[in-house]
Amino acid sequence: GAVVSQHPSWVICKSGTSVKIECRSLDFQATTMFWYRQFPKQSLMLMATSNEGSKATYEQGVEKDKFLINHASLTLSTLTVTSAHPEDSSFYICSARVGLLGQYFGPGTRLTVT
Amino acid sequence: RKEVEQDPGPFNVPEGATVAFNCTYSNSASQSFFWYRQDCRKEPKLLMSVYSSGNEDGRFTAQLNRASQYISLLIRDSKLSDSATYLCVVELIWGLGTSLAVNP
Repeated sequence: GAVVSQHPSWVICKSGTSVKIECRSLDFQATTMFWYRQFPKQSLMLMATSNEGSKATYEQGVEKDKFLINHASLTLSTLTVTSAHPEDSSFYICSARVGLLGQYFGPGTRLTVT
Repeated sequence: RKEVEQDPGPFNVPEGATVAFNCTYSNSASQSFFWYRQDCRKEPKLLMSVYSSGNEDGRFTAQLNRASQYISLLIRDSKLSDSATYLCVVELIWGLGTSLAVNP
């Protein structure tokens, strides 16, 4: 099946710093990738849709200047959390749409901001 | 009404039992439906798509009821390894998941 990788798998950073998370499709090209956030005991919340070669589409309430998304190639999308704060601590997961088969997810990145 | 709703459970069943989960959705125009499984602290994994005619994959059966706006997932002969949270997705909207614990 399709494989999506994410890096790093976990990161601890200080408040005010920026963190970049990479999402790669390893054996297929993904024109559309999605970024989600999941807080403990809560559902996955879609943050934005990343389209190769164009600007990301952000969901309501997600600050595009804080969560920078770049989808520069058909196999890579990046999410940069700028000026991270403790409330940004969460599990960030990317996924790639695979035709009508749904989405394949990366393993997630656990971000802790101290 | 929430856009996608699931009974959070937990469902505790013995091995070999049959268990069913429902997931209701509010947007009658929805076209894509999926069931995912998520293990603790792991990413969700696609379990199966849900087709209008219903579909089966081994011990798992998914069905769609457009009139009542819900999808269902039936697990037969449950195994210990089926213990997980089962998430339904309607378009790109996720339910909170239903927790299943299969006991020996």
